[in-house]
Amino acid sequence: GQQVMQIPQYQHVQEGEDFTTYCNSSTTLSNIQWYKQRPGGHPVFLIQLVKSGEVKKQKRLTFQFGEAKKNSSLHITATQTTDVGTYFCAGEGSNDYKLSFGAGTTVTVRA
Amino acid sequence: GAGVSQSPSNKVTEKGKDVELRCDPISGHTALYWYRQRLGQGLEFLIYFQGNSAPDKSGLPSDRFSAERTGESVSTLTIQRTQQEDSAVYLCASSLPVTGPNYGYTFGSGTRLTVV
Repeated sequence: GQQVMQIPQYQHVQEGEDFTTYCNSSTTLSNIQWYKQRPGGHPVFLIQLVKSGEVKKQKRLTFQFGEAKKNSSLHITATQTTDVGTYFCAGEGSNDYKLSFGAGTTVTVRA
Repeated sequence: GAGVSQSPSNKVTEKGKDVELRCDPISGHTALYWYRQRLGQGLEFLIYFQGNSAPDKSGLPSDRFSAERTGESVSTLTIQRTQQEDSAVYLCASSLPVTGPNYGYTFGSGTRLTVV
């Protein structure tokens, strides 16, 4: 199956600044999903991207799926303390009906 | 139910004992998944059910691990002769059977397993 790599592993951000986390797959994906896990919590679904080059926004979060459907990014603008947590990307292969998760980007915010 | 329910929420067991973890998915979600998350790490796929069949068991770490599902409802993950390296949070998720806009996994709160 596909392997999904995510960088950076840790992101320390000053409140109000922007940051981006990146996700790369070893194979072409049918779709990619993003999840957020708060400290002590469980992953919560944020969004799914299906089309090549797709861009979706949720308030201060912008998600992008690459043209080759092998990479994705999550960009957060004007970071707030509520953005603290670990963000996982997860890819589903064309012949595969399970998600392979990246290792996650753990975000901490300095007030 | 309204969400994915897992029980117990915490389990401490002695090395060598068997444990059974339970997952009750969202009603109508025919797909069910088990993942394992070690402390500070990502999610490791264990097994996937579509209805009560398991087309993908590729993630089960050893033959000490098994899982079953009754129809399109409750699933149990059994770990026999537990080892300390089995200590982790075991997460269950369910989803609708097809991918589509905004379809994603709904995770339960997990079972934190500690083998002493």
